[in-house]
Amino acid sequence: DTGVSQDPRHKITKRGQNVTFRCDPISEHNRLYWYRQTLGQGPEFLTYFQNEAQLEKSRLLSDRFSAERPKGSFSTLEIQRTEQGDSAMYLCASSLEGIGNEQFFGPGTRLTVL
Amino acid sequence: SQQGEEDPQALSIQEGENATMNCSYKTSINNLQWYRQNSGRGLVHLILIRSNEREKHSGRLRVTLDTSKKSSSLLITASRAADTASYFCATVNTGGFKTIFGAGTRLFVKA
Repeated sequence: DTGVSQDPRHKITKRGQNVTFRCDPISEHNRLYWYRQTLGQGPEFLTYFQNEAQLEKSRLLSDRFSAERPKGSFSTLEIQRTEQGDSAMYLCASSLEGIGNEQFFGPGTRLTVL
Repeated sequence: SQQGEEDPQALSIQEGENATMNCSYKTSINNLQWYRQNSGRGLVHLILIRSNEREKHSGRLRVTLDTSKKSSSLLITASRAADTASYFCATVNTGGFKTIFGAGTRLFVKA
C-alpha cells in the first residue's frame, strides 16, 4: 500500500501526558499537512510543510503543539501536557507541489485524553 | 474557524434520486475542492474546480462555482446507497496551499 500512513491509529492518554504521532506521506509528495477533526466538524488546518520547511502554522497550534519533518519525508506531531480538549482525530495529508493539487489523506490518529 | 459553510447539514434521499449540496465561503480562493468521508475509507478527494471555472463534471458529479456569490454546489446524480457519507467543500487560498474545510453535509441514501 503506497498511500499515506499514520501511526498509531488510536491513542488513549491521561491529561498532562505528552503524545507523539507519526505520518508517512506518499513518497514522491513534497507537501505534507496536519489537520485536526472533531466530531461533526470538518478538518481544521494545523500546519503545512514543503519538504522539511514548516511554512504555515494555524493559531490553533498552541505552544504545546510542535510538528517536524526533519528529512522532508515522514513527519511527527507532538502534543505536550495534553488536555481533554485535545481529544480529536488528527489527520495527515500529502500532495505534490503545485497550486491546489489533490491532497491524499491518511486514516488518522484518534486521540482520547482522559 | 471554518471558511466553508455547507448547506444542508444533513440530507436523506432515496436511491436513484439526485442530491444537491451547497457551500459558501468568505475570502478569495485559488480553487475549491469537494471531499467525501466515510468510516470505511477516510477522506477522499472528489473533484477540484478552479476560480476561473464555472462548472465541472466527473462521472455522476457536477460542481458549479460562482465566485461573485462565493458559493459552490455539488450535485450527485442517480444516487446509490454507497454514496452515503459526509461531503465537505474545501477552499484553497490564493497562496495555493492552505486548505480550509467546511463543516460538511451528511448524506444518507436509502436503498
